[in-house]
Order: sequence, then structure tokens, then C-alpha cells
Amino acid sequence: DAGVIQSPRHEVTEMGQEVTLRCKPISGHNSLFWYRQTMMRGLELLIYFNNNVPIDDSGMPEDRFSAKMPNASFSTLKIQPSEPRDSAVYFCASSLVRAGDGEKLFFGSGTQLSVL
Amino acid sequence: QKEVEQNSGPLSVPEGAIASLNCTYSDRVSQSFFWYRQYSGKSPELIMSIYSNGDKEDGRFTAQLNKASQYVSLLIRDSQPSDSATYLCAVNRQGTYKYIFGTGTRLKVLA
Repeated sequence: DAGVIQSPRHEVTEMGQEVTLRCKPISGHNSLFWYRQTMMRGLELLIYFNNNVPIDDSGMPEDRFSAKMPNASFSTLKIQPSEPRDSAVYFCASSLVRAGDGEKLFFGSGTQLSVL
Repeated sequence: QKEVEQNSGPLSVPEGAIASLNCTYSDRVSQSFFWYRQYSGKSPELIMSIYSNGDKEDGRFTAQLNKASQYVSLLIRDSQPSDSATYLCAVNRQGTYKYIFGTGTRLKVLA
């Protein structure tokens, strides 16, 4: 398996532009997570999906952020409009979670986002 | 109070020594605990998981859990320069899919 695949690896954009980050989870995994990592705040959970359904989006910083998972093999995280404070590394992770037991998260390589 | 707290470090240890990394958590209902290693510029990767009180050993790594004290630690024996990385503690509350990470402890193993 190729693992969790994220694109793009790097994104540089100007303030006010729309940014779309993409993620393909590992086949067979039923849970998908979007995290944001900064030096100051560490790894923050933004949203997670189970069986393509958003379960908890309380970590999404504001309405400018939205995430979708139209099918089991694809998810997007969109920022519109983007702001310089959104600059961070965005990780997607997937897992096979059963009956609420803690399971290993498999992380993608991340997207380094820079908003100028 | 943060849900998961770690000392940011850096923690510097000489090669061959034992490195001890600590983590405390605030949610008493947390049931699953994980240690991830993250090299600079890379994504986190799981190195240990622990679910019950006591010690769990895997090679040079030992995870220790004390639920009464809400404390989990990671010991790395015979530390190597290749162990130099940031170590992230993560907790999962039973019945949820939510994994909360600490900000990580940076470990430097000096050759």
C-alpha cells in the first residue's frame, strides 16, 4: 500500500486566495483525520471522519475552514479566504478504528502551506 | 490546562544513556496512549502504544502508564544519535475517534 497520500506537498498562496488540500487515505481504513501543526500550538486536531461522516469538527478554527469526504478514498480541506495565520503544516491521517479502541494513526507526508 | 502536556525540551542525553520522556493528561476517561516519533520535516510515526497500567517493552523502548496519576512515559535505552527527534504523546478517549497530541519533547542524543 502507498500509505496516506496528500497533495500538494507545498502550497504558497496570497492572502485572500482559496486553498484546497487533498488526501487519499489507506484503503480499508474507516477513519480520517485532519491535523494542523505549528511550532507554537503543536499538532491540533481540526476534524475527523468515520465512514465518510464528519464526527467532530470542533477543532476547525473558523468558518473559513471546511472539509469534505465524498467517498472512502478522498477528502479535502478547504480554506477560503486564506490568511497568513493559516500558515502551517497540514497533516491527513487515517486509521482502522474498531469499537472505539485506540488504533494507530497513519500520517501522510503533510502539506506545507504558506500564506503571504 | 492543556489536555496533554509535555516538556518541550530539548532533552539532551549522551549516546548510550537512557532517555526519559514524560507526558501528563487531564481527561481521566482517556483509555489509549501512544508515543509518536517525528523527525524534522517528516510526519509522525507510531513507536509505542499502551492501554493498561504498568510497563510495556518493545526493543529499546519502554512505555509506562499510571492512570491514577494520569501520567505516561517513554524510556529509550541505549540512546542513539538516530533517536534524535521530537516525541509526541497522544491520548484517545474510549468510545471516541479523537486523538489528542501533546506539543512534543525534542530529544537530542549526543554522539
